[in-house]
Amino acid sequence: NAGVTQTPKFQVLKTGQSMTLQCAQDMNHEYMSWYRQDPGMGLRLIHYSVGAGITDQGEVPNGYNVSRSTTEDFPLRLLSAAPSQTSVYFCASSYSGWAGYTFGSGTRLTVV
Amino acid sequence: KNEVEQSPQNLTAQEGEFITINCSYSVGISALHWLQQHPGGGIVSLFMLSSGKKKHGRLIATINIQEKHSSLHITASHPRDSAVYICAVTETSGSRLTFGEGTQLTVNP
Repeated sequence: NAGVTQTPKFQVLKTGQSMTLQCAQDMNHEYMSWYRQDPGMGLRLIHYSVGAGITDQGEVPNGYNVSRSTTEDFPLRLLSAAPSQTSVYFCASSYSGWAGYTFGSGTRLTVV
Repeated sequence: KNEVEQSPQNLTAQEGEFITINCSYSVGISALHWLQQHPGGGIVSLFMLSSGKKKHGRLIATINIQEKHSSLHITASHPRDSAVYICAVTETSGSRLTFGEGTQLTVNP
């Protein structure tokens, strides 16, 4: 089924560990983005990409890296995990930033 | 002050009631989105609109660009409508989404 696939669904990390959250879409969407969702704060943009080879920072980019080598994939890297990065992470894609969005099912990350 | 504000934050209704969730925004937008998130679940796009009104089943979304306000209505509410409803806008200054904090809706049988 066409859509946005996020892996893993759940992850527990120790402080200081690094990991990559994977996001892939098969709809040939140019626009992809990563958000974190925290209680009482709504969804906040971490990084986004308007096409392969192009990325930019969102509202809360510190501690995260992204790259976009292909149209399909947009991985999010945590360089050195901190407890403040405990959150639910969503990836989303869109034909363009002005079109409708498709969201992945989310990754629940706990940093201890 | 948030750029996108929703009201109410929490809403409890009895099955069959007509429900309205409101969204106000303070920036110029090219589109407004209504999203639905079930407990522990993913996020589903319900509507994207830039003017007027859209209807899908029991859901109706309206937008007033001049007043910078949108409403999401649910007719004949059902317990399965219980979810968080999120308003988001695509700003004209860029292609990024800005979100409201969401409205937690609980529909009791």
